[in-house]
Amino acid sequence: EPEVTQTPSHQVTQMGQEVILRCVPISNHLYFYWYRQILGQKVEFLVSFYNNEISEKSEIFDDQFSVERPDGSNFTLKIRSTKLEDSAMYFCASSRQGARTPLHFGNGTRLTVT
Amino acid sequence: SQELEQSPQSLIVQEGKNLTINCTSSKTLYGLYWYKQKYGEGLIFLMMLQKGGEEKSHEKITAKLDEKKQQSSLHITASQPSHAGIYLCGAEEGSNYKLTFGKGTLLTVNP
Repeated sequence: EPEVTQTPSHQVTQMGQEVILRCVPISNHLYFYWYRQILGQKVEFLVSFYNNEISEKSEIFDDQFSVERPDGSNFTLKIRSTKLEDSAMYFCASSRQGARTPLHFGNGTRLTVT
Repeated sequence: SQELEQSPQSLIVQEGKNLTINCTSSKTLYGLYWYKQKYGEGLIFLMMLQKGGEEKSHEKITAKLDEKKQQSSLHITASQPSHAGIYLCGAEEGSNYKLTFGKGTLLTVNP
């Protein structure tokens, strides 16, 4: 069964450094998402992406964050200057359509900012 | 914004027992999703409910959405250790199909 893959599984970075989290969504899916989960807290929406542009973003997704689909298969989340509070598990998800279709999640990238 | 309350927060059952997890919304639910998460891993899609009164089953798991579309329940029959994990309900919100999640219910099944 096709799945969403994320790399790396774990990333450690120093405060102020840039990180890029990578995702390969399911190939025939059209909608892409990033969510994050701070340890012990809810899974939170960051951004949705469709037709090569951001559809919606949350308050968390400020100017330090950006997303890109550089080719036909990858979907990336960049954090320009990481802060301690960016430490979290970041999940990529994709869905075939928008409404009323399930999101399929990757296994996540655990980002640790020191 | 939509708030989802899950109860209980955690649950410990003996293998073979039945259990129910609830998810209550502050607003009408137009798409309600159940996911399972193992610690440190991704979310695995279980079921999606849309219509009031809808009920879906897969293996030993049954999910229901009430008629008013503000509450959903997930019922596991004859629980097994493989059912252990965190169960999350998520609701569609807004025009761009983002999901808002509850805090989750941690299920432990003792052999």
